[in-house]
Amino acid sequence: QQPVQSPQAVILREGEDAVINCSSSKALYSVHWYRQKHGEAPVFLMILLKGGEQKGHDKISASFNEKKQQSSLYLTASQLSYSGTYFCGTGGGNNDMRFGAGTRLTVKP
Amino acid sequence: GAVVSQHPSWVICKSGTSVKIECRSLDFQATTMFWYRQFPKQSLMLMATSNEGSKATYEQGVEKDKFLINHASLTLSTLTVTSAHPEDSSFYICSARDSGRGGNQPQHFGDGTRLSIL
Repeated sequence: QQPVQSPQAVILREGEDAVINCSSSKALYSVHWYRQKHGEAPVFLMILLKGGEQKGHDKISASFNEKKQQSSLYLTASQLSYSGTYFCGTGGGNNDMRFGAGTRLTVKP
Repeated sequence: GAVVSQHPSWVICKSGTSVKIECRSLDFQATTMFWYRQFPKQSLMLMATSNEGSKATYEQGVEKDKFLINHASLTLSTLTVTSAHPEDSSFYICSARDSGRGGNQPQHFGDGTRLSIL
């Protein structure tokens, strides 16, 4: 079953912040975040494994609330290069990955 | 870093043709690889899990006789779209995890194959 992402789309000005949410009706053991540019393959951003875990690099960070079965991706002081579609992925028993519908982020100058 | 190579990048062919797409892990071994299909402005939909040395596991609704998967070695999986029709036109992407590094590793994606059936 696919995780649910929100919002579907976000438009920001450079320097603004955004939050993308990912939730699941099933128990979550790990959450992966990817960014995909148009016509390209998804690029791995980060993985969160434990409830309460938070991670980040540069100005992109994420948190994982295992109890609430949800994760959030935080983009602060957004840059033009942050534009793309963000997907959260949740792992299954076969190490397979199911992705949310995606959040299309547009950063304008 | 882990690299997955997918070939070809794009294919245009006539209806009824069979098309083979290759997915290779270049610097790691992958006992399991995954095949996804993505329609424009939509998410990646898992089609099947390719298992080295055994049969692939297909998602519900994916025809195994139409999408043939072979995973003959730890670094190569192939997807063959048999008797392709225009509705099979899509972006096909493979991914793999490094089998030698334990669980919860990120998936590494190939660059995708854009398939257009005329």
